[in-house]
Amino acid sequence: DSGVTQTPKHLITATGQRVTLRCSPRSGDLSVYWYQQSLDQGLQFLIQYYNGEERAKGNILERFSAQQFPDLHSELNLSSLELGDSALYFCASSSTSGSNEQFFGPGTRLTVL
Amino acid sequence: AQRVTQPEKLLSVFKGAPVELKCNYSYSGSPELFWYVQYSRQRLQLLLRHISRESIKGFTADLNKGETSFHLKKPFAQEEDSAMYYCALRPEGGSYIPTFGRGTSLIVHP
Repeated sequence: DSGVTQTPKHLITATGQRVTLRCSPRSGDLSVYWYQQSLDQGLQFLIQYYNGEERAKGNILERFSAQQFPDLHSELNLSSLELGDSALYFCASSSTSGSNEQFFGPGTRLTVL
Repeated sequence: AQRVTQPEKLLSVFKGAPVELKCNYSYSGSPELFWYVQYSRQRLQLLLRHISRESIKGFTADLNKGETSFHLKKPFAQEEDSAMYYCALRPEGGSYIPTFGRGTSLIVHP
């Protein structure tokens, strides 16, 4: 599959814990975006990386952080988890920093108990 | 700050009926507008963008700057159109910080 991949598909954890979500962009895409989708907030942009550097920041909490590695995969780290962090986390990629089209991954469903 | 509003959470129609999914935005400049679609058990994917002025799967959307709207329309809905639809706005120039609407679930009954 040459599309965007995300692992794990599902994650169940407890409050106060820390988790790492992983994303591999489409082959050749330099830009990675992270989104959070919850029932009451819709699709919220969190952060964007381009070729290893942070490019734009959205509604990302201080408890959350991300990075993009030299091989262009990205990780989203969520710490001190709260019940309200339960959501679907999507990764998307595009070929350039300002590309019109983003290609989305299947998402990681995080449940915080 | 930009905002995208999709006033309908759910839109239910019968096959063959016209469909209009509403999208209103607020942004002071000249934005780029998109419609994304997510079919059941599939990924979110781009449906169309206003700069292309194209028709995809029978859907069209016209950017109305006066009304700040970008409604998605299809004259005759099909069952396979049932999906979640998201309107999105990209501000002009600068960093890419997209704003998505909360989505409208379209259900087309046979």
